Amino acid sequence: EAAVTQSPRNKVTVTGGNVTLSCRQTNSHNYMYWYRQDTGHGLRLIHYSYGAGNLQIGDVPDGYKATRTTQEDFFLLLELASPSQTSLYFCASSDALYAEQFFGPGTRLTVL
Amino acid sequence: GDSVTQTEGQVALSEEDFLTIHCNYSASGYPALFWYVQYPGEGPQFLFRASRDKEKGSSRGFEATYNKETTSFHLQKASVQESDSAVYYCALGPLTGNYKYVFGAGTRLKVIA
Repeated sequence: EAAVTQSPRNKVTVTGGNVTLSCRQTNSHNYMYWYRQDTGHGLRLIHYSYGAGNLQIGDVPDGYKATRTTQEDFFLLLELASPSQTSLYFCASSDALYAEQFFGPGTRLTVL
Repeated sequence: GDSVTQTEGQVALSEEDFLTIHCNYSASGYPALFWYVQYPGEGPQFLFRASRDKEKGSSRGFEATYNKETTSFHLQKASVQESDSAVYYCALGPLTGNYKYVFGAGTRLKVIA
């Protein structure tokens, strides 16, 4: 069973703050994804990666950076957080194209 | 661009009712189609997928058939239970030229005992 963990599970910051969300998967999957989940919008892709050092831009990338340091670890960075980035963030991984994605438990971020 | 439309934002049913959640897609190429389920406080979980026209995917009593002609992948279950209460997401991917997936807005199912 693929395992994806995220930390922190909850985070509160202020406008202009610096936030890093962490994701780790333990099955050496090649593909990793960051999504945000908002009512009425479902899951929207922020950034994704197919291996260490690789980064691809998703559909809603503005205000976000990402870094894939190892096969297991994928980070999402908000360098100047804004209230519009208040959301529930999910990380996911998969081992191949057309394969299912395994999601982490989510990080709830509140920007005051 | 590529997109997934789930017609129903919320569905309320009684136990043993028949469920249909509509999913229509627009995509270039020939994407795989997925259904995911999300229970409160958890991340989405893969339910099943279909990869070609007329293929049926199924799991846990849920099923859907890939229909290229009508660009649809409607989720059905013959008899829902209270434990099926969750949010259901239809998704497509990977997209031609990359490995992105596109999710619908989700449908919240509430089953009343």
